[in-house]
Amino acid sequence: EAGVTQSPTHLIKTRGQQVTLRCSPISGHTSVYWYQQALGLGLQFLLWYDEGEERNRGNFPPRFSGRQFPNYSSELNVNALELEDSALYLCASSSGLAVTYEQYFGPGTRLTVT
Amino acid sequence: EDQVTQSPEALRLQEGESSSLNCSYTVSGLRGLFWYRQDPGKGPEFLFTLYSAGEEKEKERLKATLTKKESFLHITAPKPEDSATYLCAVHGSSNTGKLIFGQGTTLQVKP
Repeated sequence: EAGVTQSPTHLIKTRGQQVTLRCSPISGHTSVYWYQQALGLGLQFLLWYDEGEERNRGNFPPRFSGRQFPNYSSELNVNALELEDSALYLCASSSGLAVTYEQYFGPGTRLTVT
Repeated sequence: EDQVTQSPEALRLQEGESSSLNCSYTVSGLRGLFWYRQDPGKGPEFLFTLYSAGEEKEKERLKATLTKKESFLHITAPKPEDSATYLCAVHGSSNTGKLIFGQGTTLQVKP
């Protein structure tokens, strides 16, 4: 069974630009989560999407946004990039049923802002 | 506020030298405690879920245990391939979808 996939693997952007990251969940999973892992920091919760709706967002500015498509894949958009946005962006998926709360992570997208 | 603290930050072991990693947590209504393994530059790999005090889970050389305040990840006779960062996370009582992660313990096993 295929795991969570993310694209692209690496990305280099300039400060002020915009970026879109993509995620495909495990087949059958309806929930998608986004986390940011900056160097030296732990995983920080960004967003949760389930059944196409944004269910919760972490303590990040509005320039971090996203959406979930009918096939449950998801995009994370970051506008007006800042140097401190450089990080590994991780997508996770779960079954959407609030039974196990287990989240399975993808390989991540490494974003470098210069 | 929900919080997770892991110790030690780093651990060096000789191959075959067993040890334990600690995860202390403060959460309002635990709905699950999770252990992940993360290799450098990669996404976390799911290891275990623990739901209630007294629960234990095992997988190869790893065994996770849970009390009301902390969890331990015991590593028995580790091998060099067990070298990685081990992350602990909790989900609280509110259905926020948000996992609270600790900073991780970086384990290095030398042959």
